[in-house]
Amino acid sequence: DIQLTQSPSFLSASVGDRVTITCRASQGPSNYLAWYQQKPGKPPKLVIYAASTLESGVPSRFSGGGSGTEYTLTISGLQPEDFATYYCQQLNTYPLTFGGGTKVEIK
Amino acid sequence: QVLLVQSGAEVKKPGASLKVSCKASGYSFSRNAMHWVRQAPGERLEWMGWVNPANGDTKYSAKFQGRVTITSDTSTSTTYMELSSLRSEDTAVYFCSRDRGPTGFSHWGQGTVVTVSA
Repeated sequence: DIQLTQSPSFLSASVGDRVTITCRASQGPSNYLAWYQQKPGKPPKLVIYAASTLESGVPSRFSGGGSGTEYTLTISGLQPEDFATYYCQQLNTYPLTFGGGTKVEIK
Repeated sequence: QVLLVQSGAEVKKPGASLKVSCKASGYSFSRNAMHWVRQAPGERLEWMGWVNPANGDTKYSAKFQGRVTITSDTSTSTTYMELSSLRSEDTAVYFCSRDRGPTGFSHWGQGTVVTVSA
């Protein structure tokens, strides 16, 4: 199984900040890496797929990057609605797996 | 628009079985596989398996193999996830999500809260 490790697990930031979350894979998912945003009591919302492609309707302040076994999600200019938990997911190999999550909270 | 509507919350006793439904609308049901993902309290999302409604093919996570059965009914555009021999560790929110190949899960059901308790 491909293990995904996210860092940090918790992040405190202010509105307007630029934040970066990292997802490290135990084996390369060949860029089949997605990022989700989840708010309490809601299902995850797809933000980025194929490592760097912005999902339709998602603000351009979100961006994804990386390759091989290390990937990043960057939010440039945090907005109040961005405070949530973010998960990475690999879709290259079964079983599909998710990272442990990064909770972004207001400083 | 694509809509996935799941059945309501369940409370089960250890050893019992669970069946959660996911009714799809807004697209051609047989064109996309349906995944099931669960999230235990404070835990990461966990993929359980998928079904291809076009032919009934399934694929399950080894963790749940033997305990989970995912089926689909094309006449009602509904997918079902059955989990047997429930234990307290199966307490979680269960989600269905429409497959979109390797480009991520773009549509999700609202989630079904399942509590397993004596």
